[in-house]
Amino acid sequence: RKEVEQDPGPFNVPEGATVAFNCTYSNSASQSFFWYRQDCRKEPKLLMSVYSSGNEDGRFTAQLNRASQYISLLIRDSKLSDSATYLCVVKPVDSNYQLIWGAGTKLIIKP
Amino acid sequence: DAGVIQSPRHEVTEMGQEVTLRCKPISGHNSLFWYRQTMMRGLELLIYFNNNVPIDDSGMPEDRFSAKMPNASFSTLKIQPSEPRDSAVYFCASSLAGVNSPLHFGNGTRLTVT
Repeated sequence: RKEVEQDPGPFNVPEGATVAFNCTYSNSASQSFFWYRQDCRKEPKLLMSVYSSGNEDGRFTAQLNRASQYISLLIRDSKLSDSATYLCVVKPVDSNYQLIWGAGTKLIIKP
Repeated sequence: DAGVIQSPRHEVTEMGQEVTLRCKPISGHNSLFWYRQTMMRGLELLIYFNNNVPIDDSGMPEDRFSAKMPNASFSTLKIQPSEPRDSAVYFCASSLAGVNSPLHFGNGTRLTVT
């Protein structure tokens, strides 16, 4: 079993719709969680950190469920520019430099 | 404000040749990471430097790979000799404090070994 698992997609979603995807992690001692966004043939960029109480940044909402060991990302009122691959990233509790990267979920927003 | 700068953007070379990838981290960042990304394996950490010192190189695939950071503003990743299976996108990233602060990635070097 992979340490961080994501549905690879692609998720094909019409513009303006709401889309959500999950990511599961295997190490219950994981400390910190992030969503990175990677555009086609570009570098990953931090989208948002995921806090225990859940957090929102504009149209994006991230949730953490420690009991079930998953995090989620919700995108409301999706835009064409949201098309990208979304990488789920987990930081183990015992390291300050290791990150465990998911393989990513590809999102395609259609006009 | 310049981000992480990598060169070259693309490199095509023949098997057996030496390849050198270069990275200039963001000024003031004390952590530098070299990652490799492929479709099959995703993002893999190759080596991590803190204050120019290699802390963890356990991700370096084999002795053909080496990395240096002679000063705070420059790092290299060298592959000698290169093999077709080394074909991938190589990213350099820097941060203020390990992974306790956001990683800033360079544009990457797309390496093709024929």
